[in-house]
Amino acid sequence: GAGVSQSPSNKVTEKGKDVELRCDPISGHTALYWYRQSLGQGLEFLIYFQGNSAPDKSGLPSDRFSAERTGGSVSTLTIQRTQQEDSAVYLCASSGGGTATNEKLFFGSGTQLSVL
Amino acid sequence: AQRVTQPEKLLSVFKGAPVELKCNYSYSGSPELFWYVQYSRQRLQLLLRHISRESIKGFTADLNKGETSFHLKKPFAQEEDSAMYYCALRTGNTGKLIFGQGTTLQVKP
Repeated sequence: GAGVSQSPSNKVTEKGKDVELRCDPISGHTALYWYRQSLGQGLEFLIYFQGNSAPDKSGLPSDRFSAERTGGSVSTLTIQRTQQEDSAVYLCASSGGGTATNEKLFFGSGTQLSVL
Repeated sequence: AQRVTQPEKLLSVFKGAPVELKCNYSYSGSPELFWYVQYSRQRLQLLLRHISRESIKGFTADLNKGETSFHLKKPFAQEEDSAMYYCALRTGNTGKLIFGQGTTLQVKP
């Protein structure tokens, strides 16, 4: 595709419900990242996938958050039992995945999650 | 711990004035620094990276290891520069970036 695609663009849910956010990276990109963007917190790293390696989950804020990447392409971020503090824009990015200096991230347009 | 700090949430200047967006980092190894920008209703995108020593849209940034800083500068701000700017640090040999809290630049006519 032309770029990183995220769906849905907006999601409104009730507190306590589970949500799934989807990311389609740029074709051929082996690295995929999830970030959370909220006022006052900037861009928080959540999780990073690189090829077939074990993902770097060091940024996940709690065990209610999980992510998977199927077939080395599409990724789903799942938030269970959503809380109001989960409200934010969830950004996905992908990159070529090399270890070269200057690795550039390409971002999607994000999913705006609102937990009522 | 690895950390990026952007002390200003909002920077407001008049068109034609010089601009400096501050960024400080904490990292014990050899850092790679980047500036990303998000214009209104657009995606977050790379502006420039320290290793390239490039000037993009009139912006430059110099890595100062002694002061652990990577401030973004432009001598004459334009209205189209109004956006959210994020400083980012890459550590190790992965693509993972640690971002700062972001600074909103507002250039007034």
